Amino acid sequence: EVQLVESGGGLVKPGGSLRLSCAASGFTFSSYSMNWVRQAPGKGLEWVSSISSSSSYIYYADSVKGRFTISRDNAKNSLYLQMNSLRAEDTAVYYCARANIAARPSYFDYWGQGTLVTVSS
Amino acid sequence: EIVLTQSPGTLSLSPGERATLSCRASQSVSSSYLAWYQQKPGQAPRLLIYGASSRATGIPDRFSGSGSGTDFTLTISRLEPEDFAVYYCQQYGSSPRWTFGQGTKVEIK
Repeated sequence: EVQLVESGGGLVKPGGSLRLSCAASGFTFSSYSMNWVRQAPGKGLEWVSSISSSSSYIYYADSVKGRFTISRDNAKNSLYLQMNSLRAEDTAVYYCARANIAARPSYFDYWGQGTLVTVSS
Repeated sequence: EIVLTQSPGTLSLSPGERATLSCRASQSVSSSYLAWYQQKPGQAPRLLIYGASSRATGIPDRFSGSGSGTDFTLTISRLEPEDFAVYYCQQYGSSPRWTFGQGTKVEIK
C-alpha cells in the first residue's frame, strides 16, 4: 500500500524557517518524481514544487522561488521542503504528492494527509 | 500559465441525482492532459480521472470525465452519500507548471 506521511509543520514567525518531511513507503520511491502542493485555509490547491526521481530536474512555483528548496533522499525514502523567509501567505496545509510514473507529463496519483504550516507573529 | 475556471462554485443536489461539473481552461489543454480530484473535509485529495476521461484505479463507474481543448466535464451519474465533497480539476499538459481550478463543492440539498 502506497503511503505518504508528512511531518514538520507548525507555528513560525514571519521571516522564519521550517523544514517539512514526507516519508514514503509501499513503492519504489527512487523511481518516482515527487511534488509539494499546498492549500491555504478554506482555499484551493496550489502546486509548490517538483523534483524528479534522481533530483536532476527541480521546479518551483513563482510564489516560492528563491525561498523554498525541495530535496529528496532516496536511501531514506524521504522528500523534503526547506522553507525560508516565510510569509503570512505561506500559511497552508502542505501535501506531498506522487507523480504517476507511467504518464509523461504526469498527474498526481497519491497524496499524503498533509501538515499544517502557520506563519504568524 | 493556463487558468482553470470551475463552475458552478456550489452544486446543491440530492442523493441519486446527476451532477455535472464544468472546468474551462484559458487556453487549450494539450492532449487532454486534464485530471479531476475529490477532496472531503480534513482529507487529502484523491485522484478520480486522468487524461480527461480515464478513471483511476478503484474509482466507481458512476464517475465519468469528458471534454477536450478548453472545455471539460466531470459527471457523477447518481450521487451516493459519500460523493458529497469538493472537486478540483487540474491541467498537467503544461507541467512543470501544474494548475488547479478553484473547486466545485457538491453539497446535499
